[in-house]
Amino acid sequence: GENVEQHPSTLSVQEGDSAVIKCTYSDSASNYFPWYKQELGKGPQLIIDIRSNVGEKKDQRIAVTLNKTAKHFSLHITETQPEDSAVYFCAADNRAGNQFYFGTGTSLTVIP
Amino acid sequence: NAGVTQTPKFRILKIGQSMTLQCTQDMNHNYMYWYRQDPGMGLKLIYYSVGAGITDKGEVPNGYNVSRSTTEDFPLRLELAAPSQTSVYFCASITRGGLARNEQFFGPGTRLTVL
Repeated sequence: GENVEQHPSTLSVQEGDSAVIKCTYSDSASNYFPWYKQELGKGPQLIIDIRSNVGEKKDQRIAVTLNKTAKHFSLHITETQPEDSAVYFCAADNRAGNQFYFGTGTSLTVIP
Repeated sequence: NAGVTQTPKFRILKIGQSMTLQCTQDMNHNYMYWYRQDPGMGLKLIYYSVGAGITDKGEVPNGYNVSRSTTEDFPLRLELAAPSQTSVYFCASITRGGLARNEQFFGPGTRLTVL
């Protein structure tokens, strides 16, 4: 099955700086790559996603880039704010598009 | 819409006991999922369902069972609880097909401890 690796596991940035989280995947048939934000005691929430026919997608301060050839995708958060502090997960779907495989998460801390 | 609801929020079980984790969604989603999340790890898929009456195993199905008699409900059953099943369990749902976006909506989770 698909294998998704995520780095770094922890990340601390100063407020206003940028944060980048990177993921790699193993199955070239994966087509859909979502990113989730999980706040303490809550379930994950989708913040941005990208499909394999797109190289980059942006939504205000967050963006995702995808390199299909290298099989890696990244989350970029600009002008970070304390409320961005959370655990972020990347994921990839399987060949059939009916299952999702998650990375191990990145704990982001934005220091005021 | 309430979205995805899970009960209970917390539960402590003794080894060998059984219990059912409840999950309900009111968004008429056809796909539903059960995940477990262990400390410092990502979510692992236990079981999923593509519609009422259809279920299939995920990555870590051993020790669990599911059923899907209605579109709304997708309960997860633990028959003989073991310490290795101590985890946080998340239910999720999604609509697939056509132009539907693949956004998974997650419930708030059930924190289960087996002693």
